[in-house]
Amino acid sequence: DTGVSQNPRHKITKRGQNVTFRCDPISEHNRLYWYRQTLGQGPEFLTYFQNEAQLEKSRLLSDRFSAERPKGSFSTLEIQRTEQGDSAMYLCASSRTGPHEQYFGPGTRLTVT
Amino acid sequence: AQKVTQAQTEISVVEKEDVTLDCVYETRDTTYYLFWYKQPPSGELVFLIRRNSFDEQNEISGRYSWNFQKSTSSFNFTITASQVVDSAVYFCALSEFNPGANSKLTFGKGITLSVRP
Repeated sequence: DTGVSQNPRHKITKRGQNVTFRCDPISEHNRLYWYRQTLGQGPEFLTYFQNEAQLEKSRLLSDRFSAERPKGSFSTLEIQRTEQGDSAMYLCASSRTGPHEQYFGPGTRLTVT
Repeated sequence: AQKVTQAQTEISVVEKEDVTLDCVYETRDTTYYLFWYKQPPSGELVFLIRRNSFDEQNEISGRYSWNFQKSTSSFNFTITASQVVDSAVYFCALSEFNPGANSKLTFGKGITLSVRP
């Protein structure tokens, strides 16, 4: 049973550029979550999918952020016109439907210069 | 709104000492789940335990034990005979119980545990 994978692991970009991250969940998991973690803080919820449907977005997710999960498999998180405040670790997690434990990927660390 | 407070920010112990990590939570829900995750230096969050609010029995798993007290809204985590490999950031988290709802996790700020040889 492979775990959650995320690519890339690290991304350095210049302010104003667009970036896209990918998450591959555990194959039998219907739910997929995106979180953001900044230094010294716990992860904060951004958005989640039940299969291919995006069911909730946090107020943290500005209009520059968009997420997709085509066909209910992998997911992508895109940030347009990146800002320095977007620098963080972006974590993906997956779980079975319901309040089950979530399994996290290794994260993508974004640095905006 | 849900909130998790981990008042301890950093704890340093010598190997083989016991250490307790505190977690206090706030929720308006009558049923909910509580979790502990470990984040080692490699960065990947590792699931440790999930408890539902119906079950206040303490749980032990090897050197790990958890004390859930609904009356004080606390879910504390004890590591017995700590080892250097226990060095990590530990997060307590809370989620709704409703299976149809968003089961997003609300995390505390984490406790950095350093175990010295």
